[in-house]
Amino acid sequence: GAVVSQHPSWVICKSGTSVKIECRSLDFQATTMFWYRQFPKQSLMLMATSNEGSKATYEQGVEKDKFLINHASLTLSTLTVTSAHPEDSSFYICSARWPSGGGDLLEQFFGPGTRLTVL
Amino acid sequence: RKEVEQDPGPFNVPEGATVAFNCTYSNSASQSFFWYRQDCRKEPKLLMSVYSSGNEDGRFTAQLNRASQYISLLIRDSKLSDSATYLCVVNDGGSYIPTFGRGTSLIVHP
Repeated sequence: GAVVSQHPSWVICKSGTSVKIECRSLDFQATTMFWYRQFPKQSLMLMATSNEGSKATYEQGVEKDKFLINHASLTLSTLTVTSAHPEDSSFYICSARWPSGGGDLLEQFFGPGTRLTVL
Repeated sequence: RKEVEQDPGPFNVPEGATVAFNCTYSNSASQSFFWYRQDCRKEPKLLMSVYSSGNEDGRFTAQLNRASQYISLLIRDSKLSDSATYLCVVNDGGSYIPTFGRGTSLIVHP
């Protein structure tokens, strides 16, 4: 399958600081990337859809001013958690959608995730 | 957002057993369907796409029933390494926004 990288893989920060997470598609161009959050023993929750060259689409209940998404190129999307608090501690995972040419099924490929701990 | 429902399990089966998971979806306009596998504290990995005619990959068989709006995953000859959470994913028609089920936990024991 396609390769998606995510950096950093883990981060510990103090309350009130901002944290930037990068998601890169390494061997394909992704016009659409997704950002998810997963709390322990819970399912993945879609936070937002990131589209190259346009504003991200946020899911209901996700604060766009707190979770800033920038899809700067066809291979890079970033998520910045601004003024992080302990309740933001979670596993953040990005995915990139395989290009849709040829009417295929639009599989997603996931990055390895970033484990954020806010003290 | 339309719903995707899965039995959370856990399904606890012996090695060599055959086990089946179902996943129901509520949006009749859904276009594409997948099964992912997620190991503890890891990212989901694509297991299989689900085709309209059904498809098989080794010990794994996926089926789609559009009339009843469910997909299934059958695992034959279970291995210890199959222990994981299996996630059903449905792409909404039109927007192709993915919706994940909560996952079904499988534990294969010796």
